[in-house]
Amino acid sequence: QQQVKQSPQSLIVQKGGISIINCAYENTAFDYFPWYQQFPGKGPALLIAIRPDVSEKKEGRFTISFNKSAKQFSLHIMDSQPGDSATYFCAARGTSYGKLTFGQGTILTVHP
Amino acid sequence: DGGITQSPKYLFRKEGQNVTLSCEQNLNHDAMYWYRQDPGQGLRLIYYSQIVNDFQKGDIAEGYSVSREKKESFPLTVTSAQKNPTAFYLCASSMGQKNQPQHFGDGTRLSIL
Repeated sequence: QQQVKQSPQSLIVQKGGISIINCAYENTAFDYFPWYQQFPGKGPALLIAIRPDVSEKKEGRFTISFNKSAKQFSLHIMDSQPGDSATYFCAARGTSYGKLTFGQGTILTVHP
Repeated sequence: DGGITQSPKYLFRKEGQNVTLSCEQNLNHDAMYWYRQDPGQGLRLIYYSQIVNDFQKGDIAEGYSVSREKKESFPLTVTSAQKNPTAFYLCASSMGQKNQPQHFGDGTRLSIL
């Protein structure tokens, strides 16, 4: 019940295309959903986050869509660029103080 | 610049040896965390600390130990009891209140000689 399932494991997109990464959860106590971006040899960096009382949040080319009834949320990267090539992690935080549960990660490659 | 510093970047451990990974933050954050990252498994929580002199086990604490004697520092010891220590270790910190983001260091890669 604490798992967050992320798909796909890897994704290849052409420059200018839309990248879509999906996550699903079961624990209804989760109430904060961040996305992290990680480049090789670096720590994850917070990209964008959403709370379940909002169905969509957009920051620049990055959008989170949240479906509370389906217990699913997704990251959309519009106009994908080669510099977006990285590993993306979704996560969820529940009632335990600050504890995040991470998805397995998606390796995104954007071809020029 | 404020941030989280992990050292060393690369570390090698001999069989039967304990090693300690350093994590220092100057963000004045109350909470600190240690994660282990393995390929295809995301990040798994080892230990976390909400305040000085207090810490709790995460999901995979066996074979690890921590201390929190100062607000800025949260070192992780990988003991000889951890039979599969090869991984990328990440330290994070946050303000501690719910929904405050966690900020990560750039990790330490531990390998077995």
